[in-house]
Amino acid sequence: SQTIHQWPATLVQPVGSPLSLECTVEGTSNPNLYWYRQAAGRGLQLLFYSVGIGQISSEVPQNLSASRPQDRQFILSSKKLLLSDSGFYLCAWSIGRDEQFFGPGTRLTVL
Amino acid sequence: QQQVKQSPQSLIVQKGGISIINCAYENTAFDYFPWYQQFPGKGPALLIAIRPDVSEKKEGRFTISFNKSAKQFSLHIMDSQPGDSATYFCAASRRRSKLTFGTGTRLQVTL
Repeated sequence: SQTIHQWPATLVQPVGSPLSLECTVEGTSNPNLYWYRQAAGRGLQLLFYSVGIGQISSEVPQNLSASRPQDRQFILSSKKLLLSDSGFYLCAWSIGRDEQFFGPGTRLTVL
Repeated sequence: QQQVKQSPQSLIVQKGGISIINCAYENTAFDYFPWYQQFPGKGPALLIAIRPDVSEKKEGRFTISFNKSAKQFSLHIMDSQPGDSATYFCAASRRRSKLTFGTGTRLQVTL
């Protein structure tokens, strides 16, 4: 069966520091991968999605970037965090069908 | 139009009652309509989904009703339980493309 992992689970970072969040999927090949952000008590905002290695589409202009160095690995990065980057970051995957499955999330607090 | 409008924003239902959450969409090309359930601090979990070729789909206590002509779909939770207290998101997509999410409904089931 397929599983999706995200780490770290929680992260507290100062403003201006770099960021790297990692997502990996097991048990499947060539998945579509997604990064979402969820502000406190709010809906899901799609940040990036990828249909293959090195293929990244950005949905919202911001100081975040994404990379997909391996088939089942998706990384969300920032060179300098802003206060507004705080939120709950969710990775998701889908393959060949419409169903999209989410990971456990990373709670990021920027101070 | 890519929006999916969800209502109500919050809902309080007594144990044993019926919870009803509604969503409306504009894009007639949408052909996949899932509902997600999210508990605090967790990633959303796919609950149930429907395609426009059927008007209703039932899985246990959860039912999706779909009205293609009105471009609306709803989630009904029968015999609501305190364990159903969560945030529910509707979504829509077309031809395996990105999901467009509603803004979420916070459901509280009281004893």
